Amino acid sequence: RKEVEQDPGPFNVPEGATVAFNCTYSNSASQSFFWYRQDCRKEPKLLMSVYSSGNEDGRFTAQLNRASQYISLLIRDSKLSDSATYLCVVAWGQNFVFGPGTRLSVLP
Amino acid sequence: DTAVSQTPKYLVTQMGNDKSIKCEQNLGHDTMYWYKQDSKKFLKIMFSYNNKELIINETVPNRFSPKSPDKAHLNLHINSLELGDSAVYFCASSPQDRFAWGAFFGQGTRLTVV
Repeated sequence: RKEVEQDPGPFNVPEGATVAFNCTYSNSASQSFFWYRQDCRKEPKLLMSVYSSGNEDGRFTAQLNRASQYISLLIRDSKLSDSATYLCVVAWGQNFVFGPGTRLSVLP
Repeated sequence: DTAVSQTPKYLVTQMGNDKSIKCEQNLGHDTMYWYKQDSKKFLKIMFSYNNKELIINETVPNRFSPKSPDKAHLNLHINSLELGDSAVYFCASSPQDRFAWGAFFGQGTRLTVV
């Protein structure tokens, strides 16, 4: 089993749609959780941290379920500029472990 | 005022050559990393250094040797380059409280071995 798994994608959605990404992780000792965004031929950039109580940043909502070892990201009212690959990241020890990413294309 | 900078951005070289990629961060972070992103876009850690000391050394061929002259720099030297080394190499850094802030990435070095 891979350490971090994500929906395979790609997701093609119309502008204004709501889209949800799922992620599961295998290491129950994981200490922190993040969503990163990577545009084509660019570096990954932190989108948001994920807290146990769930957190929201504008149109983005992240949820964490430690018991199920599951993380989610919800994007509401999607924009063309949201098109990117979304990477689930789990940290333990000295390491940040990246999921394979889910590609999102928002269509006009 | 780039936070994490890598040079070069592109590197095309022949098999068998030796090459280096440089990385510098001006964020005052304690930990630096090298990640490899292959053609399938999967990001995998190669090395992690904390205050110039090697912390993580994943299963990477010993042709790859990181060097950290000080905590702001982590360079990657690759000997006897092979076709399979073609990938994008990302340098990253994180603060002491990395679990709160995550890691910050450089713009990547696209290595093509021909």
